[in-house]
Amino acid sequence: DVKVTQSSRYLVKRTGEKVFLECVQDMDHENMFWYRQDPGLGLRLIYFSYDVKMKEKGDIPEGYSVSREKKERFSLILESASTNQTSMYLCASSLLGVQENTEAFFGQGTRLTVV
Amino acid sequence: DAKTTQPTSMDCAEGRAANLPCNHSTISGNEYVYWYRQIHSQGPQYIIHGLKNNETNEMASLIITEDRKSSTLILPHATLRDTAVYYCIVRTRSGGSNYKLTFGKGTLLTVNP
Repeated sequence: DVKVTQSSRYLVKRTGEKVFLECVQDMDHENMFWYRQDPGLGLRLIYFSYDVKMKEKGDIPEGYSVSREKKERFSLILESASTNQTSMYLCASSLLGVQENTEAFFGQGTRLTVV
Repeated sequence: DAKTTQPTSMDCAEGRAANLPCNHSTISGNEYVYWYRQIHSQGPQYIIHGLKNNETNEMASLIITEDRKSSTLILPHATLRDTAVYYCIVRTRSGGSNYKLTFGKGTLLTVNP
């Protein structure tokens, strides 16, 4: 069974803390994505990566960075957490775009609260 | 990037067909249309995708207009478990052979008993 696993389901952090959200996939997928989801705004793409050590900015990268040291792991980093980063964070993975069907598989999400 | 427009919400009676529309008037010739759904408290789940031709799988059917400016997802016999937010997405190029999936706000489909 294919799996995308996010390290935490719920997380509470303080303003100014450095926060790491971890995502691991076991499907040998090249692509990995980080989204955030907020009420009324849908899913918004933060960053994505198509290979180890490669990354591309999504639509809302400000305040975030990412790390992809191994193919199966994609980390989202909040350098200095702020309350407006309180959100549901979703990780996804998929095959590279040369495939016709690049179905993305999503993790269960991490609900981050910054206080 | 090609954008999509969907109604905010729709209702459907259990056992009836649910037809969810999507407009994607700026879609390019080689961009695929994908549909996902998200049931409360879960990550989005892939449903179906298409380029030009109509598609059907065990979950749904996808009808794409000839000019490709719009599409309709059809759930032939909606059940209460189909209540979810449905996202219509255009898979857009991000450079080279890679792509990205840009989600909008989706349509909340409520299936009523």
